[in-house]
Amino acid sequence: ETGVTQSPTHLIKTRGQQVTLRCSSQSGHNTVSWYQQALGQGPQFIFQYYREEENGRGNFPPRFSGLQFPNYSSELNVNALELDDSALYLCASSLGSNQPQHFGDGTRLSIL
Amino acid sequence: EDQVTQSPEALRLQEGESSSLNCSYTVSGLRGLFWYRQDPGKGPEFLFTLYSAGEEKEKERLKATLTKKESFLHITAPKPEDSATYLCAVDPSGTYKYIFGTGTRLKVLA
Repeated sequence: ETGVTQSPTHLIKTRGQQVTLRCSSQSGHNTVSWYQQALGQGPQFIFQYYREEENGRGNFPPRFSGLQFPNYSSELNVNALELDDSALYLCASSLGSNQPQHFGDGTRLSIL
Repeated sequence: EDQVTQSPEALRLQEGESSSLNCSYTVSGLRGLFWYRQDPGKGPEFLFTLYSAGEEKEKERLKATLTKKESFLHITAPKPEDSATYLCAVDPSGTYKYIFGTGTRLKVLA
């Protein structure tokens, strides 16, 4: 069974640029959540998608946006990048909102 | 405000020295409490889900328990390969937002 895969693994951007991160969910999992993990901190919930609709959002500004596709894969888009956006971005998938989430290994985003 | 606090922040154990990690929470409701293990440069790996006070789950040297205010992850006779950061997360009722603690960094020395 293929797990959650994320791409790219590492990315370097400069302030003001835009970035798109990608996630392929585990087979059969229709719910995808995105998290931001700063160094030494726990993951922080950004938003969740269920059957292509946003299904809950954390305290992140609108420049963080997302998409889910019919095959349940997902994208996280961040506009107008700031230095504080440097973090590990994790994608997690589950069979439903009250099921354990399974995480990918993340994308390490560095903003210069 | 919903909150999860883990203690200690870091823990060093000798191989075979049993101990417990704590996760205390204040949430408006609880649809589940989750324990994850995270190795450096990797994503969190699911360990356990607990749904109600009194529930216990076991896997190899790990045992998770849940009360109305906190959860414990007991590690019995740990080995160096148990070294990792252990994360606790809660799912408050109806919000679909998983709230994580900051984790406990465990180092087991041979």
